[in-house]
Amino acid sequence: DAKTTQPNSMESNEEEPVHLPCNHSTISGTDYIHWYRQLPSQGPEYVIHGLTSNVNNRMASLAIAEDRKSSTLILHRATLRDAAVYYCIPITSNTGKLIFGQGTTLQVKP
Amino acid sequence: SAVISQKPSRDICQRGTSLTIQCQVDSQVTMMFWYRQQPGQSLTLIATANQGSEATYESGFVIDKFPISRPNLTFSTLTVSNMSPEDSSIYLCSVGGLAGAWTDTQYFGPGTRLTVL
Repeated sequence: DAKTTQPNSMESNEEEPVHLPCNHSTISGTDYIHWYRQLPSQGPEYVIHGLTSNVNNRMASLAIAEDRKSSTLILHRATLRDAAVYYCIPITSNTGKLIFGQGTTLQVKP
Repeated sequence: SAVISQKPSRDICQRGTSLTIQCQVDSQVTMMFWYRQQPGQSLTLIATANQGSEATYESGFVIDKFPISRPNLTFSTLTVSNMSPEDSSIYLCSVGGLAGAWTDTQYFGPGTRLTVL
């Protein structure tokens, strides 16, 4: 399984953009990069995923480096509800298994 | 998407006893997973429970301790057997492959908070 490195924690001010980085230098060419987040006292929820191209959805944008060794999750305007632990997870097999690392705890200040 | 419910939502149990956790999904799904989240930690995958086959356990987890049933495409159970205080965790189920691909989004249940005294 590909290893990931994420900062333990980050802070942001409300209504400002947030860039959450993830290094996944051992990723293989067919690994999809998924991002999930876990709000306090809840199960994880899907945020976004991609393979090579940058991706956008209603929640966030995902910027994938050209060499695919890193990616950045972008929250365009952080809200207090975005305070959560964010996990970057390469899916490395056809089993669909998610192997969670420690993630980044995002604090959003009003 | 999928809506997942778990029962019980929480329980307090005595050591040496067993607890069965139920996971119900509102649609038929192929892939189902069980995770454990110990206090202050990330999630750890226990096993994959695909319908029609035996559960596949991750390293460090065994069937005798965590037997799993998957009788149909909408339901699964995880039993935590012969519990000790170290089993105190949140147990979550998730489902995937709704659109038929292993890269599909996974949906998680709300979790079962287990405390073992």
